[in-house]
Amino acid sequence: DQQVKQNSPSLSVQEGRISILNCDYTNSMFDYFLWYKKYPAEGPTFLISISSIKDKNEDGRFTVFLNKSAKHLSLHIVPSQPGDSAVYFCAATTNDYKLSFGAGTTVTVRA
Amino acid sequence: DTGVSQDPRHKITKRGQNVTFRCDPISEHNRLYWYRQTLGQGPEFLTYFQNEAQLEKSRLLSDRFSAERPKGSFSTLEIQRTEQGDSAMYLCASSSRTDPYEQYFGPGTRLTVT
Repeated sequence: DQQVKQNSPSLSVQEGRISILNCDYTNSMFDYFLWYKKYPAEGPTFLISISSIKDKNEDGRFTVFLNKSAKHLSLHIVPSQPGDSAVYFCAATTNDYKLSFGAGTTVTVRA
Repeated sequence: DTGVSQDPRHKITKRGQNVTFRCDPISEHNRLYWYRQTLGQGPEFLTYFQNEAQLEKSRLLSDRFSAERPKGSFSTLEIQRTEQGDSAMYLCASSSRTDPYEQYFGPGTRLTVT
């Protein structure tokens, strides 16, 4: 059972514009959410996270929004840069810290 | 600190053979996790350790899989009698006591069973 879903397998965006990645979850017990970025032949790299007690967290060009009532979160990247081209994974966890991942969204930033 | 390391990076084996992977976590990280990732999917949880104790195993982890973390440092994941369905990327991650939510991943071991 896929508890975390990323319904867009790919996203293409022009350099300098905003990238918006979406993620939905079904388990209401999740209390912490993370975004990871992955380049080919490397392991996932932590990007940004948000606790369920917040609805927004910002770190430089990256902002994560959480809508608990809709069980939805999104990652905004502004402005998008060529180095942002990668696969982005949404992950969620409870207080046991095991991560449940979505299938990923491949972002391509066009020059 | 060199981050999480995994060895080997790639392993090709014939069906029925045993394989063992090693993970060295970030020093002083008390939790260590194993995940498996197949093509087009996100990583799936397999098992995790707190210090040397294995606290949980996923139902994905059949009896052919065994993991250890002696002395709470490095960990090994062994697969006995490999099957073609075991072909995947095996990822290791670790986290600290002070920030248990944020897991740092290694580069993974790519297993191909022929």
